Amino acid sequence: DGGITQSPKYLFRKEGQNVTLSCEQNLNHDAMYWYRQDPGQGLRLIYYSQIVNDFQKGDIAEGYSVSREKKESFPLTVTSAQKNPTAFYLCASSGAEKQYFGPGTRLTVL
Amino acid sequence: GQQVMQIPQYQHVQEGEDFTTYCNSSTTLSNIQWYKQRPGGHPVFLIQLVKSGEVKKQKRLTFQFGEAKKNSSLHITATQTTDVGTYFCAGPGTSYDKVIFGPGTSLSVIP
Repeated sequence: DGGITQSPKYLFRKEGQNVTLSCEQNLNHDAMYWYRQDPGQGLRLIYYSQIVNDFQKGDIAEGYSVSREKKESFPLTVTSAQKNPTAFYLCASSGAEKQYFGPGTRLTVL
Repeated sequence: GQQVMQIPQYQHVQEGEDFTTYCNSSTTLSNIQWYKQRPGGHPVFLIQLVKSGEVKKQKRLTFQFGEAKKNSSLHITATQTTDVGTYFCAGPGTSYDKVIFGPGTSLSVIP
């Protein structure tokens, strides 16, 4: 099946630890995105990448980092510098001007 | 900067009633997209409108793109419990491939 996978679905971490969220796509899309969604809120763009080895900061990049070493993969690291990391994280890719979303990772920092 | 706004933020309707959500952009858009996110799920693409004044229908859902290409609406006729979720509009951002999402309208349907 073609699509976007994110793992894990639920993630618990202690405060002060870095954590990396996985995002993989087999849609052959060039553009990939990371969004953060808080309860009852919309989607806020963290980072996006238009091509391998290139990425740009979104609206709330502070405390996050990404890499794009392969077209299929766009992992997001939530660093200890992110003051309020507990949220729902959505990865997406773009093709034919549509965004395709993965199932998301719910991160809880204890 | 470029902004996409939606109203209302929340809407509670009785099953069978109609529902409308409105989307407004601070800039002219080349296209507008609508997505639906079910509770606990992820956004799913519904439709894209491109032409000024365009109207598209998907069963009980009617989508409109304004003449000035700065606003759009989604109307659901005779809501059902399966319509529950948050509806987002989205438009292209100023950077290539960047998409700006509205804050969404959360629809609750009371059976």
